[in-house]
Amino acid sequence: DTGVSQDPRHKITKRGQNVTFRCDPISEHNRLYWYRQTLGQGPEFLTYFQNEAQLEKSRLLSDRFSAERPKGSFSTLEIQRTEQGDSAMYLCASSFAKQETQYFGPGTRLLVL
Amino acid sequence: GENVEQHPSTLSVQEGDSAVIKCTYSDSASNYFPWYKQELGKGPQLIIDIRSNVGEKKDQRIAVTLNKTAKHFSLHITETQPEDSAVYFCAASHFNAGNMLTFGGGTRLMVKP
Repeated sequence: DTGVSQDPRHKITKRGQNVTFRCDPISEHNRLYWYRQTLGQGPEFLTYFQNEAQLEKSRLLSDRFSAERPKGSFSTLEIQRTEQGDSAMYLCASSFAKQETQYFGPGTRLLVL
Repeated sequence: GENVEQHPSTLSVQEGDSAVIKCTYSDSASNYFPWYKQELGKGPQLIIDIRSNVGEKKDQRIAVTLNKTAKHFSLHITETQPEDSAVYFCAASHFNAGNMLTFGGGTRLMVKP
C-alpha cells in the first residue's frame, strides 16, 4: 500500500452515462497525476496538478474529460457521455514537486457497456 | 514527444536465473528513468529508478544501467524468485518539465519454480 487511495475500485456503467472517480494522494504531496491504462499496455499520462493548478493536459484528454483538485488535496476525474473506448484502468499518482518519485494508487477499473 | 520502447514483451526464466529487460527512449531531454512492477489488479509499484547523471544503480538483486549516448536503459534481476513474476514497466520523464512519465509497453516476467 503506497498511501494513495482511489475510489471506487471498479465501476460498470452504460454508454452515455457520466462517471466520477476520486483520488486521495499521500498527504503533503503537492503533485497529483492521472494516467489511463488499457489492457496489455503501459499507463498513459492524462493530466497533472501542482497544488490546485492543473498544469498540463494530454491530447488524450478529450473535452468529455474534466479533472479538478479544488483544495490541493484530493482530486476527481469526471468522464461525461462515456463511450466503450473509455473502458480502462484509471490510475492516480502523487509526488512532491521537488522529488521525482511518483507513488501510484490501486486504480479504478472502468467498464463501459 | 517522448517515445519509449520496451523489449521483450514476455520473458520466462527458471528460478535462480537472471532476467534482463531493455528500454530505449527518444527524447534526449529525458533525465529520470524509473522501473515499476505491476501485479494483477494492482497499481504500479516503483522498484528502482535512475537519474541521467548516474550510469548504474543497484539495490540488492535489482540493478539498472543507463547509456545516455545510445538512449537506452536496462533492468537486471538476479537470482529470480517466483514472487518476481509480474509485469514490469520502464518509463522516462523530464523532471524539470512536469515529470510526466512516458511508459514502455511492459514485459511480462514469469519465473518458473
